[in-house]
Amino acid sequence: GQNIDQPTEMTATEGAIVQINCTYQTSGFNGLFWYQQHAGEAPTFLSYNVLDGLEEKGRFSSFLSRSKGYSYLLLKELQMKDSASYLCAVRDLGRGSTLGRLYFGRGTQLTVWP
Amino acid sequence: DSGVTQTPKHLITATGQRVTLRCSPRSGDLSVYWYQQSLDQGLQFLIQYYNGEERAKGNILERFSAQQFPDLHSELNLSSLELGDSALYFCASSASGGAQETQYFGPGTRLLVL
Repeated sequence: GQNIDQPTEMTATEGAIVQINCTYQTSGFNGLFWYQQHAGEAPTFLSYNVLDGLEEKGRFSSFLSRSKGYSYLLLKELQMKDSASYLCAVRDLGRGSTLGRLYFGRGTQLTVWP
Repeated sequence: DSGVTQTPKHLITATGQRVTLRCSPRSGDLSVYWYQQSLDQGLQFLIQYYNGEERAKGNILERFSAQQFPDLHSELNLSSLELGDSALYFCASSASGGAQETQYFGPGTRLLVL
């Protein structure tokens, strides 16, 4: 199986930068996803990393280190609408009935204050 | 809007009952995934279908079953419902269920078992 850890809660102020960390243990790594989820709504895709390094997408960036089992999501120029839960999800190589399934962390609830 | 649709949006029922949740994937997507999200468990993968056939199975109870029809919509059947089955149920879809594909989530069905 998988073990995915991320902080439960974080707070920051508008305009600031915040980094949400995710550590994972996996039997066979095949990619890491970050999703944003507002309360009661569907998770929406933010980023995908399969190779080491930084992927930048506007105000959001995601970093991966496979050797350390570590990723972070960096949010810049925070806005009030960024208040949401951020889910780290790891895909494993899988075998048989677990082929390529996603394992989600419990999510990090980010609150952005004015 | 991800393009994935789910009905109903809300469902209230009693213990011991049976319900059916419905999902239509994004146009062109062949693979459908079902997830359960409860406050204490986070987002848990239940089952995946690809072009009508079961591809991967997760933490799905024996009281639950699913299928994907020739028109690619999917249904999740929950029977002998218990209080603990109250949760948000999400459907997601991807093009072909490949390991590096992004999953796009529907708006979810909120199930309340009384």
